[in-house]
Amino acid sequence: NAGVTQTPKFQVLKTGQSMTLQCAQDMNHEYMSWYRQDPGMGLRLIHYSVGAGITDQGEVPNGYNVSRSTTEDFPLRLLSAAPSQTSVYFCASSLTGGSAEQYFGPGTRLTVT
Amino acid sequence: AQSVAQPEDQVNVAEGNPLTVKCTYSVSGNPYLFWYVQYPNRGLQFLLKYITGDNLVKGSYGFEAEFNKSQTSFHLKKPSALVSDSALYFCAVRTGGSYIPTFGRGTSLIVHP
Repeated sequence: NAGVTQTPKFQVLKTGQSMTLQCAQDMNHEYMSWYRQDPGMGLRLIHYSVGAGITDQGEVPNGYNVSRSTTEDFPLRLLSAAPSQTSVYFCASSLTGGSAEQYFGPGTRLTVT
Repeated sequence: AQSVAQPEDQVNVAEGNPLTVKCTYSVSGNPYLFWYVQYPNRGLQFLLKYITGDNLVKGSYGFEAEFNKSQTSFHLKKPSALVSDSALYFCAVRTGGSYIPTFGRGTSLIVHP
């Protein structure tokens, strides 16, 4: 199993540009989520999904969109990049039970200038 | 609502000495508790979890954690620290009724040679 994969690893955007961060998992996990990690802020949940066709907002959803057309894929779209979105982004997946641990991707480091 | 507190931003320990990284939680209902480790420029990796039963949980790389219901704590421990244990450690809680885990802000563990 490849686990959770994320592309790209690094990205530089100009303010106002849009892009999609890709996330895929091959473990047949229903639950997937996106986090951003900033120094001193820990992990903040952006959006999550409990299955194909079902998504919901997390703690910091503004400026981001998601969709879940398949169990495997959960892309994160930045609509109009802003410098405040400079961060490291992690995708995670797990089974839906509360006792299930999460599996994290390697992250995407995004810089918005 | 559920919450997790990691009261120490940083823990310093000498190699060979025992280490403890503290975590306390607040939930309604029975908690599922997790520890994750993040090495530099990597995603989070699952270390161990408490679901039910024995209060002492053993995990990867020689780590263990003790669940204390009366103190609502789940401290991470290791009898003899290694320099390679230096990393960022996150505690997380989930309940049976919630898909969404809550993470602490993380504790940086520094093991000195």
